[in-house]
Amino acid sequence: AQKITQTQPGMFVQEKEAVTLDCTYDTSDPSYGLFWYKQPSSGEMIFLIYQGSYDQQNATEGRYSLNFQKARKSANLVISASQLGDSAMYFCAMREGDGGYNKLIFGAGTRLAVHP
Amino acid sequence: DTAVSQTPKYLVTQMGNDKSIKCEQNLGHDTMYWYKQDSKKFLKIMFSYNNKELIINETVPNRFSPKSPDKAHLNLHINSLELGDSAVYFCASSQGTYGTQNTEAFFGQGTRLTVV
Repeated sequence: AQKITQTQPGMFVQEKEAVTLDCTYDTSDPSYGLFWYKQPSSGEMIFLIYQGSYDQQNATEGRYSLNFQKARKSANLVISASQLGDSAMYFCAMREGDGGYNKLIFGAGTRLAVHP
Repeated sequence: DTAVSQTPKYLVTQMGNDKSIKCEQNLGHDTMYWYKQDSKKFLKIMFSYNNKELIINETVPNRFSPKSPDKAHLNLHINSLELGDSAVYFCASSQGTYGTQNTEAFFGQGTRLTVV
């Protein structure tokens, strides 16, 4: 079974509007962390935001916020006031468990295009 | 002052050759990784090292051999290169090994390997 599912291969948004990128995950471990990364066309992987499974509040980092719905196992990324520079691939990732099992499992990614 | 640097950035080589990709991190992190990103942009972990010890080996062919001379370096050597090895290889590092900690992985800029 897929551990991380990103159902939107591509999304587009008008500049200055908000956009939500979907991510659902599958784990039976009570301890896990969820991450979002951005990969622009230049290829580097840029960390955006993190949510821990025990965090009570949704994470926010500037224009990025994570809509964490634990019961639904979803961790959607919300980008507010989109900018042209937000055009990129976005990856949701999960790290499971405590005590040494420390790999990030990535979703297939969503390509976001921001239109002027 | 690049945090995670890998060389070379591009590598074009013929089938059957042996090549190496080097990675160094100056973040003082304990854990380093190699990820492979295929032509569909899917990112999959290959190896993880913690303090120079191999802790994750994800069913990677024996032709791939990581080497960690110290915790700041993790090199990847590939023997007998095949066409299917063409991909972007990312080195990454993180601090800590626990799922719920904000131990995001910092990625190098990637090495685009093309086997002809």
